[in-house]
Amino acid sequence: GQQVMQIPQYQHVQEGEDFTTYCNSSTTLSNIQWYKQRPGGHPVFLIQLVKSGEVKKQKRLTFQFGEAKKNSSLHITATQTTDVGTYFCAGPRGNKLVFGAGTILRVKS
Amino acid sequence: DVKVTQSSRYLVKRTGEKVFLECVQDMDHENMFWYRQDPGLGLRLIYFSYDVKMKEKGDIPEGYSVSREKKERFSLILESASTNQTSMYLCASSLTDTSTDTQYFGPGTRLTVL
Repeated sequence: GQQVMQIPQYQHVQEGEDFTTYCNSSTTLSNIQWYKQRPGGHPVFLIQLVKSGEVKKQKRLTFQFGEAKKNSSLHITATQTTDVGTYFCAGPRGNKLVFGAGTILRVKS
Repeated sequence: DVKVTQSSRYLVKRTGEKVFLECVQDMDHENMFWYRQDPGLGLRLIYFSYDVKMKEKGDIPEGYSVSREKKERFSLILESASTNQTSMYLCASSLTDTSTDTQYFGPGTRLTVL
């Protein structure tokens, strides 16, 4: 069935560096959601993208939905230690929401 | 704010025991979900429910069952716990659409089966 693939699995950056995680689907998605899970915490919804080519920003976070609605990215500018955690993308498959495996972000201060 | 609570943060059980994980949401959401989270595998859906007494299998239902007798409560049952069910279990709820609505997660239950 349709899967949501996420890369990289893990990234360790110096504080102040940028970070990007990518999400790819084998099929067209009607929408995509992004969640963040802090260490020891639970996933928390960040944003949903619906339109082809959509770009949304939340402070230092920029979310993009591809033109073909098969891929998405989350870019963090000038990472801070508060950005650490696991970032998940999720897309619909039938009547379910399918999550990617997540990208673990670690930030060295 | 939506609040999703789970009965235990940590649980230790023995192989063969029957295990109940409880989840309660306070926002009158139609849908509730049970996931397990394992390193490198992300969140995998075990079961979900779209209405009271209605349930549907997720991607990994084997070894689990669920119960939803009241709208606010969704229980995950391990009939005979096995060591490969050691994991973090996350409950979630969403308003009406099971595939597109935002999901709100509980704090999780870390289950260890010895």
